[in-house]
Amino acid sequence: AQTVTQSQPEMSVQEAETVTLSCTYDTSESDYYLFWYKQPPSRQMILVIRQEAYKQQNATENRFSVNFQKAAKSFSLKISDSQLGDAAMYFCAYKVIQGAQKLVFGQGTRLTINP
Amino acid sequence: NAGVTQTPKFRILKIGQSMTLQCTQDMNHNYMYWYRQDPGMGLKLIYYSVGAGITDKGEVPNGYNVSRSTTEDFPLRLELAAPSQTSVYFCASSYGLAANTDTQYFGPGTRLTVL
Repeated sequence: AQTVTQSQPEMSVQEAETVTLSCTYDTSESDYYLFWYKQPPSRQMILVIRQEAYKQQNATENRFSVNFQKAAKSFSLKISDSQLGDAAMYFCAYKVIQGAQKLVFGQGTRLTINP
Repeated sequence: NAGVTQTPKFRILKIGQSMTLQCTQDMNHNYMYWYRQDPGMGLKLIYYSVGAGITDKGEVPNGYNVSRSTTEDFPLRLELAAPSQTSVYFCASSYGLAANTDTQYFGPGTRLTVL
């Protein structure tokens, strides 16, 4: 069974600084997708960034980028120039390409931004 | 275009009561999902549907039932509510399987408490 582990229950960063959130996963599949979702206090789940496992190039979305290490099964999220609006729970998620399209989530990391 | 809507937003049930959580999407998505999020945890898949009339179990289906009579609606039924079902319930939908169509869009969630 696939599992996703986020080893940092909480992280904090000063506004405008850079922070990296860690995620590791376990799978025997070779083709899959990885995601980072943001959950602000409103509880809405918002897709931040995605990575296809077959792509070697790390995904980027404005201030958000990932460090995808397939051999190590590691998928970290880097947030540059942190803003107060980035404060939220961040969930790493995994999905196989074939089959039911279901997401497997990690436990989450609560990110606090200090002004 | 409202996206994914869920009703109710909050509900308190007594042990043994039943209720239906409603989920509707107006994006003509084929795939729909129900997740639950327990305090301090990531989301876990309860049931999913790949199209009208087709449903299947996820990780934690016990105590729940679903139906999918239309593309738009995917209600989740709780029979004989138990305290272990106290959670936040999220409905999600996605269009297809291809990399540019498989992003899951989430509803705002329903907070359910069973006393």
